[in-house]
Amino acid sequence: DIPMTQSPSSLSAYVGDSVTITCRAGQNIADYVTWYQQKPGKAPKVLIYAASSLQSGVPSRFVGSKSGFLYTLTINSLQPDDFATYYCQQTYTTAPWTFGQGTKVEIK
Amino acid sequence: EVQLVQSGAAVRKPGESLKISCKTSGYTFSDFWIGWVRQMPGKGLEWMAIVYPGDSDTKYSPSFQGQVTISADRSANIVYLQWSSLKASDTAMYFCARHGPHKTGLDWGQGTPVTVSS
Repeated sequence: DIPMTQSPSSLSAYVGDSVTITCRAGQNIADYVTWYQQKPGKAPKVLIYAASSLQSGVPSRFVGSKSGFLYTLTINSLQPDDFATYYCQQTYTTAPWTFGQGTKVEIK
Repeated sequence: EVQLVQSGAAVRKPGESLKISCKTSGYTFSDFWIGWVRQMPGKGLEWMAIVYPGDSDTKYSPSFQGQVTISADRSANIVYLQWSSLKASDTAMYFCARHGPHKTGLDWGQGTPVTVSS
């Protein structure tokens, strides 16, 4: 199994701030990383796939990047609609589907 | 457009059985792994099981092996998740999801809430 260690578990920020969420993979996963946004009671929504590709229709303030085994989601200029929980996932292996622990972004 | 439409909310008593479904459209059902993810109240996403409809190959998380059964109906493009004897601890939201092509991530159903209570 390939662990995905996500941090932080939660953060508080103001509207307009930039925030960063990271996921460290347990091994090389060749950019097979997807970032999701989830709101209460709803299915996760793809924001970024292939580590840095922006899903169609997602605002450009969401940016994915990678350095070695560390994958990063940056949200620039937080908007009220961005307060949600974010998950990373590796899809390098068919199974298991490995998700990060989640990061809850709250309003300060 | 890929669509995954799940069956509605279910309420059962402990010990009862349950089968929930996920009807798919917009792609070739046989060609992609599809599975189920559990989310307990206030918790994260847990992978449960997947099936490859093309040959019915299945893979289970060790945490769920023996607790649930995943299956696929290729004639109807539907994937199922079933329990033979529910526990209160099975109370959760269950999502079906399709493993997309290449590095595109998962396509998700809307979720099926399951409540198990006496």
